[in-house]
Amino acid sequence: DQQVKQNSPSLSVQEGRISILNCDYTNSMFDYFLWYKKYPAEGPTFLISISSIKDKNEDGRFTVFLNKSAKHLSLHIVPSQPGDSAVYFCAATLQTGANNLFFGTGTRLTVIP
Amino acid sequence: KAGVTQTPRYLIKTRGQQVTLSCSPISGHRSVSWYQQTPGQGLQFLFEYFSETQRNKGNFPGRFSGRQFSNSRSEMNVSTLELGDSALYLCASSPWTETYGYTFGSGTRLTVV
Repeated sequence: DQQVKQNSPSLSVQEGRISILNCDYTNSMFDYFLWYKKYPAEGPTFLISISSIKDKNEDGRFTVFLNKSAKHLSLHIVPSQPGDSAVYFCAATLQTGANNLFFGTGTRLTVIP
Repeated sequence: KAGVTQTPRYLIKTRGQQVTLSCSPISGHRSVSWYQQTPGQGLQFLFEYFSETQRNKGNFPGRFSGRQFSNSRSEMNVSTLELGDSALYLCASSPWTETYGYTFGSGTRLTVV
């Protein structure tokens, strides 16, 4: 059973506009959330994370929002650049205990120049 | 510093055979985790090793096994290969047990024919 879901397999955005990638989770015990970016033939690279005690975390052009009541998080990229074209995975975990991540199935973002 | 190194990069095996994949973590990293990536399932956690001990295991059959050596290098083995084992196998290392310290390797692409 997929505990972390990314319901949009793909997203296309014009360069300079905002990209919004969404992620839903089912396990209310998750208390730490991460976004990874993956280019073809490379491993995922860490992008940004957020603890469940926060509802927003910003890092340059990337902002992650967490809505605990809705069990929903989103990644905003502003402005989007062609180099942002990649597959984005959201992941969730428990900060204590088991050290493994539960990943979504990914969203392929294409930024059109 | 050198990243996480996985060998081989590509592998083709026949159904019923067994395979061993290798992962060399970043120097000083003691935790090594393995994930399987398939198109429909995203990244699925296989197991995690820390100081030569398996700390956590995902929901995979016993055909999937692993080990970690004293230098933190890790191997995973899949016996009696099935067509459904075709996937990208990713290794990630971290200094301790915090998942946000993960660095992924580029993966081994296994094709079972």
